[in-house]
Parts: sequence; structure tokens; C-alpha cells
Amino acid sequence: AQTVTQSQPEMSVQEAETVTLSCTYDTSESDYYLFWYKQPPSRQMILVIRQEAYKQQNATENRFSVNFQKAAKSFSLKISDSQLGDAAMYFCAYRSDYGGSQGNLIFGKGTKLSVKP
Amino acid sequence: EAGVAQSPRYKIIEKRQSVAFWCNPISGHATLYWYQQILGQGPKLLIQFQNNGVVDDSQLPKDRFSAERLKGVDSTLKIQPAKLEDSAVYLCASSLTAYNEQFFGPGTRLTVL
Repeated sequence: AQTVTQSQPEMSVQEAETVTLSCTYDTSESDYYLFWYKQPPSRQMILVIRQEAYKQQNATENRFSVNFQKAAKSFSLKISDSQLGDAAMYFCAYRSDYGGSQGNLIFGKGTKLSVKP
Repeated sequence: EAGVAQSPRYKIIEKRQSVAFWCNPISGHATLYWYQQILGQGPKLLIQFQNNGVVDDSQLPKDRFSAERLKGVDSTLKIQPAKLEDSAVYLCASSLTAYNEQFFGPGTRLTVL
């Protein structure tokens, strides 16, 4: 079974600085997707960024980028120029690309990010 | 475009009581998910529907939890009878298909006393 591990329960960053959130996963599959979701205090989860395992190029969405290391099974999220609105819980998630899984997301326990003004 | 709607937002019940949650997915989304998020943990899939059929309910405690998605649109999740360990946020999500982005609702926070 696949597992997702986020080893940092809490992180803190100064406004305008850069922070990196860590995620490792375990799978025997070769085709899958990885995601970072943001869950602000209001609790509505939103997708931040996604990475297809077959793509070597790291995904980027504005201030958010990932460092995907397939061999190491590592998927970290870098937030540049941190803003107060970035404060939230961040979840790393895995989704198999095989038909049997039918899109099921497997989440880590999350990292709570605080942004200091 | 309206997002995923859930109600109620909060519910407090005594153990052994029954409770039901409602979810209205984004229009046109064929796939609907119910997740359980216990405090301090990530969401865990309870059940996944494709239209009005169940695709995956392997982690649903079927002795007390049930869910349905009549007509392939709205869905309800029921717990009967509730236990203390059912205290959690219940998240509903929907996607165009099982392989498209999942959009989440605001969740229902359940407290079982």
C-alpha cells in the first residue's frame, strides 16, 4: 500500500522569505501523480500544484514550485516570497495512475505553516 | 461556477445517536468522494462514487456508516450509531472524472459527546 509522510508538523517563515515543506512517499508503482493541497483555517482544501511522475521537469505555479526526486521518492514544496495568506495547513497527496485506484488520493498528515509579518 | 456545497457545517451529537451529512457537487462532476479528516491527520477516503455507483468503499465502516448518491448528483453520508471516535471533519469532493482535479467542499465538523 502507498504511504505519504510529512515529517514537519509545523513550520514558520518570515513574510517575503522562502520556505520549503518536505514530503516523502512510498510506492512500488511507476506511474502516479503527486499533489500539494492548501487548507486555510476555513477548511476548504484547494489544489496548489501537481506533478506527474513521468515528467522530469519540476512543476511551477507562480510562487510555488516543487522539487521532485523520483528515485528518492521525495516531493518538496517551495514557497517563494511568502505572504500572510500562505498561512495554512499543507497536505502532500499521492494518486495512483492505475485503473484500479480510480483516483483515490492518499494524504500525509500535513504541515502547519505560519507566516510572520 | 458554484463550488461543492455541504451541510450542515457543524453538528454536535451524543454517542449512539444518528447523523446525516449532505453534499451537492459541482454541476456535471461524475465522481464524488467522502473523506474523513480526524484532527491532526490528513483526509482519509471513505467512499467514492462514479455517477450513482460505488467505486471504492473499502475504508467505510459499513456496520455504522452508509452513503448514497441518488440520481448521480447529491449525496448523503449517514452514521448510525455514532461513536466518540467518529468526531472529525467530513469532507466532500467532486471531480469531472476520477482522473481530474478534485474540488473540496468546506466540510462538516462533527463532535460526538
